[in-house]
Amino acid sequence: ETGVTQSPTHLIKTRGQQVTLRCSSQSGHNTVSWYQQALGQGPQFIFQYYREEENGRGNFPPRFSGLQFPNYSSELNVNALELDDSALYLCASSTGGLAGAGGELFFGEGSRLTVL
Amino acid sequence: DQQVKQNSPSLSVQEGRISILNCDYTNSMFDYFLWYKKYPAEGPTFLISISSIKDKNEDGRFTVFLNKSAKHLSLHIVPSQPGDSAVYFCAASAQTGANNLFFGTGTRLTVIP
Repeated sequence: ETGVTQSPTHLIKTRGQQVTLRCSSQSGHNTVSWYQQALGQGPQFIFQYYREEENGRGNFPPRFSGLQFPNYSSELNVNALELDDSALYLCASSTGGLAGAGGELFFGEGSRLTVL
Repeated sequence: DQQVKQNSPSLSVQEGRISILNCDYTNSMFDYFLWYKKYPAEGPTFLISISSIKDKNEDGRFTVFLNKSAKHLSLHIVPSQPGDSAVYFCAASAQTGANNLFFGTGTRLTVIP
């Protein structure tokens, strides 16, 4: 069974640039959620994708956007990067769809983004 | 506004003793609570959960207690083992099974051999 994989693991961008982070969900999982974990903080919900559509969003501006593909993999795109976007971005997959999965999310190792 | 709070950033416990990690929440709509464990360079992994209709859930060495009136939950690890050393996150959701989890800031547990 393949777990959740994310790429790249580390990247550095400058303010104003755009970034795309990628996630392959665990085999059999149809729902992907993205979280942002700033230094010293807990993960914060960005949004969730199910059946290629966003079906839940946290308190993040529209410059945070995403995609889910037919194979359930997903991308997180962030435009007009700001210094505060520096964080670990975690992807999590589950089987629950709209109803969730009892909260049992399977997380990847994360992509650490540094914005200079 | 931090809706889930873990006020102890770190905790050290001797091997074999009990570890108690605490978590408080402010949103009375939360009805499902979870604990995740995170090792360095790995993503968080699910540990144990509890629904608001229960006040205790046990899984091996791990027990979670929920006090709804106090909006407080705790994770007990007995006996603690060196492999339990990790950062523990408390999380909550306002709809059972929802993937929109609100996380605390974590408690770093160190189990001393």
